[in-house]
Amino acid sequence: DIVMTQSPDSLAVSLGERATINCKSSQSVLNRSNNKNYLAWYQQKPGQPPKLLIYWASTRESGVPDRFSGSGSGTDFTLTISSLQAADVAVYYCQQFYTIPWTFGQGTKVEIK
Amino acid sequence: QVQLQESGPGLVKPSETLSLTCTVPGGSISSYYWNWIRQPPGKGLEWIGYIYYTGSTNYNPSLKSRVTLSLDTSKNQFSLTLTSVTAADTAVYYCARDQGFVAIWGQGTMVTVSS
Repeated sequence: DIVMTQSPDSLAVSLGERATINCKSSQSVLNRSNNKNYLAWYQQKPGQPPKLLIYWASTRESGVPDRFSGSGSGTDFTLTISSLQAADVAVYYCQQFYTIPWTFGQGTKVEIK
Repeated sequence: QVQLQESGPGLVKPSETLSLTCTVPGGSISSYYWNWIRQPPGKGLEWIGYIYYTGSTNYNPSLKSRVTLSLDTSKNQFSLTLTSVTAADTAVYYCARDQGFVAIWGQGTMVTVSS
């Protein structure tokens, strides 16, 4: 299985400031035949299912605010919230869908400082 | 927005079988990949498996010996069966659509394994 490791486990950021979450995969999730990274990011608020934010490592899902962005390639990825809003308090997960079984990171909890 | 709905018992005894159903609105089950994903209380997400509308399946190897996914297109439903459950199977179970990255999720149903 590909192990996904996120850092940090939690972070507290002031409103309007940048939040950065890292995700590292134990193997590359880059498909060289199509140059796509099989990596997604989700946001989960308490009592709700996860919400897809980003796929192919950097493609924003329809309706997701542009303050959310994804970057990286191969084994190292980043989710950035450029200007943290109160509505962004949540747990964020990365997921690889390069190989079965699809696997998720352990989650990063984002709070307001 | 497509809304999936899980249903099934909230309490299952150890060693027994967990059975859940997901209802898909509007006949759209005849396309797409249909997944089950679970989340133990306070923990992360675990993909259980998917079933394609053709009936082909793919399971997480860690659960493969105990899991069966099935489809009932006449009812627009797909189902999860997990045998020989233990307390470690206590979780919120989500049904979800798509292969790879998952855009459509049900609200989830909590299943507790306890005598």
